[in-house]
Amino acid sequence: QKEVEQDPGPLSVPEGAIVSLNCTYSNSAFQYFMWYRQYSRKGPELLMYTYSSGNKEDGRFTAQVDKSSKYISLFIRDSQPSDSATYLCAMSYNQGGKLIFGQGTELSVKP
Amino acid sequence: GAVVSQHPSRVICKSGTSVKIECRSLDFQATTMFWYRQFPKQSLMLMATSNEGSKATYEQGVEKDKFLINHASLTLSTLTVTSAHPEDSSFYICSARVSGGPSSYNSPLHFGNGTRLTVT
Repeated sequence: QKEVEQDPGPLSVPEGAIVSLNCTYSNSAFQYFMWYRQYSRKGPELLMYTYSSGNKEDGRFTAQVDKSSKYISLFIRDSQPSDSATYLCAMSYNQGGKLIFGQGTELSVKP
Repeated sequence: GAVVSQHPSRVICKSGTSVKIECRSLDFQATTMFWYRQFPKQSLMLMATSNEGSKATYEQGVEKDKFLINHASLTLSTLTVTSAHPEDSSFYICSARVSGGPSSYNSPLHFGNGTRLTVT
């Protein structure tokens, strides 16, 4: 069993839709949770960074962490074609620790 | 913001040759840099942690003699793929975290744009 599970998709939605991306994990010791966006042939770009359980909002993006269920989510409101990319969840046990990545979900937002 | 520059972005080499990839933190110092490998439609796999002024720490299964890492300064780490073979063809990405700043909560990993290596 992988430490971090993420549905690879692809996920296709119409412009303006609300997108929900999810990851589950097996080790309850993870404390720090991140979402990265990766465009084709580029390095990952940090979108959201959260610690422990709870919600964090930044513009059209909301990250949720439910440690009791070992489940994290990223919501994108009013999705745009420019949001089309691969979204990777990542998590670590401690500050500055090694990141464990999910497989990434490929998202396509159609105009 | 913190910028990580990786060079070259793409390289094609013949089997048996060595290739060097550079990773630079442009506007910050990084005592630690990380090297990842990514296969198509797959996740990033950590290869090694590069520590300035000391030996790199390799993940299990990564050949340290094949993937040589040098972190000679606070802004530069290099990965050399020695005696490359077609199975080494992949997307290599480095990352770094700002050192000496506020807590790591505010210093997540910043990634370079990756190097596409093709070994023929």
